[in-house]
Amino acid sequence: DSGVTQTPKHLITATGQRVTLRCSPRSGDLSVYWYQQSLDQGLQFLIQYYNGEERAKGNILERFSAQQFPDLHSELNLSSLELGDSALYFCASSPDGQGNQPQHFGDGTRLSIL
Amino acid sequence: AQSVTQLGSHVSVSEGALVLLRCNYSSSVPPYLFWYVQYPNQGLQLLLKYTSAATLVKGINGFEAEFKKSETSFHLTKPSAHMRDAAEYFCAVSDLGSSNTGKLIFGQGTTLQVKP
Repeated sequence: DSGVTQTPKHLITATGQRVTLRCSPRSGDLSVYWYQQSLDQGLQFLIQYYNGEERAKGNILERFSAQQFPDLHSELNLSSLELGDSALYFCASSPDGQGNQPQHFGDGTRLSIL
Repeated sequence: AQSVTQLGSHVSVSEGALVLLRCNYSSSVPPYLFWYVQYPNQGLQLLLKYTSAATLVKGINGFEAEFKKSETSFHLTKPSAHMRDAAEYFCAVSDLGSSNTGKLIFGQGTTLQVKP
């Protein structure tokens, strides 16, 4: 058990819809990362938050947004969903977001767009 | 910018045989390197990390990796494969860039098959 909790485990929805993925980091970790895993793109970094503030952005679509709340949990919002958004979305956390710290991953949310 | 290349998308070994999974990195600064394992329907689990201390790094489940700067490599090895080692393995480098945010850049992954 990594200590990182992601909900829900599975989401099935239709094109054009909006969903919210939730992540609770390990106790004491201030930094949260979101990654997308797909067959064609592999594992891609989306966005990072540190103590409530956005810290780094990757190849995240404008239809996607995220935030980190005062209790340090984070949510990833995906809107106007397209078939190509079907993927596994991972959340990871680390103590203070420095490069020498390993990230601990949740089990992911599998998003299926019909 | 940092990058990672994993040579071989699939590796098959017999139970008890040596496991060698290859990873080469590109980095303009001393890198931080990681190996993760992903079992079916699970998240990524940290196997080991290199953060500029000893070049031979020991991890969990009998795995180890050696950082070779001259070869820009960080290959993962295990002397004797077990059936439970069958999984997908990812090499990653921490993108230090100008802000050291710790975001990870992953290789494409290597699926390890272990034959009885």
